Amino acid sequence: NAGVTQTPKFQVLKTGQSMTLQCAQDMNHEYMSWYRQDPGMGLRLIHYSVGAGITDQGEVPNGYNVSRSTTEDFPLRLLSAAPSQTSVYFCASSSGTPAVKLFFGSGTQLSVL
Amino acid sequence: KNEVEQSPQNLTAQEGEFITINCSYSVGISALHWLQQHPGGGIVSLFMLSSGKKKHGRLIATINIQEKHSSLHITASHPRDSAVYICAVLRSSGSARQLTFGSGTQLTVLP
Repeated sequence: NAGVTQTPKFQVLKTGQSMTLQCAQDMNHEYMSWYRQDPGMGLRLIHYSVGAGITDQGEVPNGYNVSRSTTEDFPLRLLSAAPSQTSVYFCASSSGTPAVKLFFGSGTQLSVL
Repeated sequence: KNEVEQSPQNLTAQEGEFITINCSYSVGISALHWLQQHPGGGIVSLFMLSSGKKKHGRLIATINIQEKHSSLHITASHPRDSAVYICAVLRSSGSARQLTFGSGTQLTVLP
């Protein structure tokens, strides 16, 4: 059972480049989310999805797009990278309301030069 | 003011000591999670609480809904407990799924 698989682990981009962070889970969880973690701050929600075909914005959505075409996959797209998007990104999934347990990917360290 | 505050921000303990990490929040919640972030960055779910107390091994988590406060205790601490411990709350209003996170407590346990 792989849990939440997040790729890549590290990425360096130049300002203006675009990229997609991949996230996949094999637990049939309906809820998936993307967070960014910056020094001295708590994890902040970027986008989330409560099921295939349904996505919504979180606290810091600007500059990011998501889609949820299947239950398993929830990719995060950076449209035109900016230095302010330098951060560590985590994908997470869970089931139930409230979820008893949260499952996180291993994180992506992104640097935008 | 942050809606979720953790204290202390940093904590250094000797192996074997009893450790307490605190989480206070200012909003109504339906649940609270304690998470552990390993030195390598991975995040693991420890507890979900909506009332009372839970125990798993050497870890104990308590919550007082009236006082808007939760504590995470580690008994007989060990260097492998060194990690960042994160509190996250699920609001009782608004989106039923969105979490608000504290900024974490960095725990270092010395041998």
